[in-house]
Amino acid sequence: QSALTQPRSVSGSPGQSVTISCTGTSSDIGSYNYVSWYQQRPGKAPKLMIYDVSKGPSGVPDRFSGSKSGSTASLTISGLQAEDEADYYCCSYAGSYTWVFGGGTKVTVL
Amino acid sequence: QVQLQQSGPGLVKPSQTLSLTCAISGDSVSSNSAAWSWIRQSPSRGLEWLGRTYYRSKWYNDYAVSVKSRITINPDTSKNQFSLQLNSVTPEDTAVYFCARDNCNVGSCYAFFYWGQGTLVTVSS
Repeated sequence: QSALTQPRSVSGSPGQSVTISCTGTSSDIGSYNYVSWYQQRPGKAPKLMIYDVSKGPSGVPDRFSGSKSGSTASLTISGLQAEDEADYYCCSYAGSYTWVFGGGTKVTVL
Repeated sequence: QVQLQQSGPGLVKPSQTLSLTCAISGDSVSSNSAAWSWIRQSPSRGLEWLGRTYYRSKWYNDYAVSVKSRITINPDTSKNQFSLQLNSVTPEDTAVYFCARDNCNVGSCYAFFYWGQGTLVTVSS
């Protein structure tokens, strides 16, 4: 499978909202409501922020929200904070018990 | 709380076998509601899911097409851990390798809720 497509970077000022897109195909995002999003800080393992398109794991601030339309999923960070500066990766179930990730988006807090 | 602790060599020679282990605490590798995956990350390939093992009355494995001919993921019930073996490695297999687990019983079977700390494996002579 090909990797999902994400913008290389997005930025915003504290308090603003930023949205990261994740574009797949009819074989992955378009077919399944199993999109997840991960935050990764330098030298650390990814941390789950959103699963099953729009569900937040326990302990993740509700400033993080997810959605999907067709073959494109989105992660929105509302009320951006300095601590949100990190890399973000989307992931989708791709059928036949396999998963595919996006290339990652660097979020910069100005 | 589930914790995953990885171990294994950080340097492997080309054509040899990469071997890593992920020790589990707070859960059982034989759980009927968990699946245990290996994921790697490199600058050139980004994050790449490699495969998983899980127990549902018997053991199952699923592997990514890109590595299917070279990969084996095995559970070790006596030590409550699982392992990754990747054969015939090349410099392209240089990456940080992570083990991870889903959360079928209270979350989702389709996301990675728990991660190991990561192991940088360099393939070089």
